[in-house]
Amino acid sequence: AAGVIQSPRHLIKEKRETATLKCYPIPRHDTVYWYQQGPGQDPQFLISFYEKMQSDKGSIPDRFSAQQFSDYHSELNMSSLELGDSALYFCASSFTSREAFFGQGTRLTVV
Amino acid sequence: AQKITQTQPGMFVQEKEAVTLDCTYDTSDPSYGLFWYKQPSSGEMIFLIYQGSYDQQNATEGRYSLNFQKARKSANLVISASQLGDSAMYFCAMREVISNFGNEKLTFGTGTRLTIIP
Repeated sequence: AAGVIQSPRHLIKEKRETATLKCYPIPRHDTVYWYQQGPGQDPQFLISFYEKMQSDKGSIPDRFSAQQFSDYHSELNMSSLELGDSALYFCASSFTSREAFFGQGTRLTVV
Repeated sequence: AQKITQTQPGMFVQEKEAVTLDCTYDTSDPSYGLFWYKQPSSGEMIFLIYQGSYDQQNATEGRYSLNFQKARKSANLVISASQLGDSAMYFCAMREVISNFGNEKLTFGTGTRLTIIP
């Protein structure tokens, strides 16, 4: 069965650079979530989309933005990267308020 | 206020024993969902089991079962016959519907690190 696909799996950026993370949800899933997980931390909610419309924002810095496209894939854009942005970034998708499945994550390292 | 509480930061369990991971939640919404995820050292977040607030029976998936006590607002994960491969971080999460348009968010607990001892 198709799972949530995230790319890239690993990303190394320098401070003040920009990064774009991509997420391809499970086909026919109507909700996409983005989470940030720092080392030793629980996942923190960033932003979600329902049917391509932004539905909620969590603790997402103004330097970050996200969108969901007509084909339902989503992108998380991060600008002016800081060392503290180094984390594992997860995308998850779900359908009709049931199980939510996560991608394998993108490990971002800012140096 | 903490929405999801996992009071066991770490647990050590002998192989083949059953283990219960605690999770309590707080919500005033009548419609919600509860999840358990496993995160091994490789970092991926693996879905284990789901319980909807209106589901009449406790969810089960193979060796995993969810002990859902709605009145007590608890959703403990039970792993039967633990295996070495069960060693991982386990997160309890809750989904709340946050608008009439079906918008939702998942909130995670702080996790329990489970170590299975041979």
